[in-house]
Amino acid sequence: SQQGEEDPQALSIQEGENATMNCSYKTSINNLQWYRQNSGRGLVHLILIRSNEREKHSGRLRVTLDTSKKSSSLLITASRAADTASYFCATTGNQFYFGTGTSLTVIP
Amino acid sequence: GAVVSQHPSWVICKSGTSVKIECRSLDFQATTMFWYRQFPKQSLMLMATSNEGSKATYEQGVEKDKFLINHASLTLSTLTVTSAHPEDSSFYICSTSVGGDGYTFGSGTRLTVV
Repeated sequence: SQQGEEDPQALSIQEGENATMNCSYKTSINNLQWYRQNSGRGLVHLILIRSNEREKHSGRLRVTLDTSKKSSSLLITASRAADTASYFCATTGNQFYFGTGTSLTVIP
Repeated sequence: GAVVSQHPSWVICKSGTSVKIECRSLDFQATTMFWYRQFPKQSLMLMATSNEGSKATYEQGVEKDKFLINHASLTLSTLTVTSAHPEDSSFYICSTSVGGDGYTFGSGTRLTVV
């Protein structure tokens, strides 16, 4: 069963704009991770945020976590065409489950 | 960083044949390996969890006799799709923990059954 759900399912923006993706989950977690997947390729780990953290940054990425709302967001600032990919959240608790993913298209 | 090498990256097979997918952990020992399946434009679905030296734990709805998982060593886990059918065509990915809360993934195998 799916633990995480993301919205939007698809997002199309112009290069240079910011992209925000949201993830909601159902059960308690130890941490939440964001991954990127280029079409037909494997997954690349982007960032991990622990359940006792509220915000984390890595380069152009900013992740927030609200455990009271069971939600997280991934912000990509100053997007580039190369950011075009699918982005998944994944939660670890008793199990490790992926969200439904957001397909991001950055238009040059 | 820790790397999981997954082979083959793509395979085409005939209906009724079996296909083996390998995941090897390079430079580290993978006690546990997770196997996922991904349909086009969908998320990854956990199929099973394999532990070195013991039987794999399958998720509900996954046929253990069809998707044979072997984790005979700390550096190698295999997934064999037996008697493959076109509906088994999918993208299969392995993953393992690399300590702490980190995970690393294989590059995936695209299976097409014709």
